[in-house]
Amino acid sequence: GENVEQHPSTLSVQEGDSAVIKCTYSDSASNYFPWYKQELGKRPQLIIDIRSNVGEKKDQRIAVTLNKTAKHFSLHITETQPEDSAVYFCAASITGNQFYFGTGTSLTVIP
Amino acid sequence: EAGVVQSPRYKIIEKKQPVAFWCNPISGHNTLYWYLQNLGQGPELLIRYENEEAVDDSQLPKDRFSAERLKGVDSTLKIQPAELGDSAVYLCASSPRDGRGLQFFGPGTRLTVL
Repeated sequence: GENVEQHPSTLSVQEGDSAVIKCTYSDSASNYFPWYKQELGKRPQLIIDIRSNVGEKKDQRIAVTLNKTAKHFSLHITETQPEDSAVYFCAASITGNQFYFGTGTSLTVIP
Repeated sequence: EAGVVQSPRYKIIEKKQPVAFWCNPISGHNTLYWYLQNLGQGPELLIRYENEEAVDDSQLPKDRFSAERLKGVDSTLKIQPAELGDSAVYLCASSPRDGRGLQFFGPGTRLTVL
């Protein structure tokens, strides 16, 4: 099955700086890549996603890039704010029904 | 629209006891997932339903775990007997039929086995 690796496991940035989280996947058939944000004790929430026919997608301060050749995708958060502090998970899906998650990145934004 | 509902939110039991979790997906969502999330880890699929049919239960430890989704709506996940290593958060999620892959999670049930 699919194997998704996520790095780094922890990330601390100063408020206003950018944060980048990277994921790699193993199955070239994966075609849908969502990112979830999970605050402590709360449910994972979808924050942005990208499909394999697109190389980049942006939503305000959040962007995701996809490199199908290298089989990696990244989450970029610009102008970070304290409320961005959370655990972020990447995932890869082949059919849109089966999801394989990364191990998560704990992001801390220091005021 | 109401989100995915799970109950209970927290459960503390002694080992060897049975426990059950309940999930009500978003109305109209035909796909329902149960995930296990250990501390500091990503969700791991236990079972996926398409309507009332379990289409992927390869990761469900069938010696002690069971699940059902009667009438293709609500679902129940059961552990009997529970072991210490079962302490984790059990997440339920649902997706609509449109195949776009959007997945919505419930708040989870945090299980502690003593």
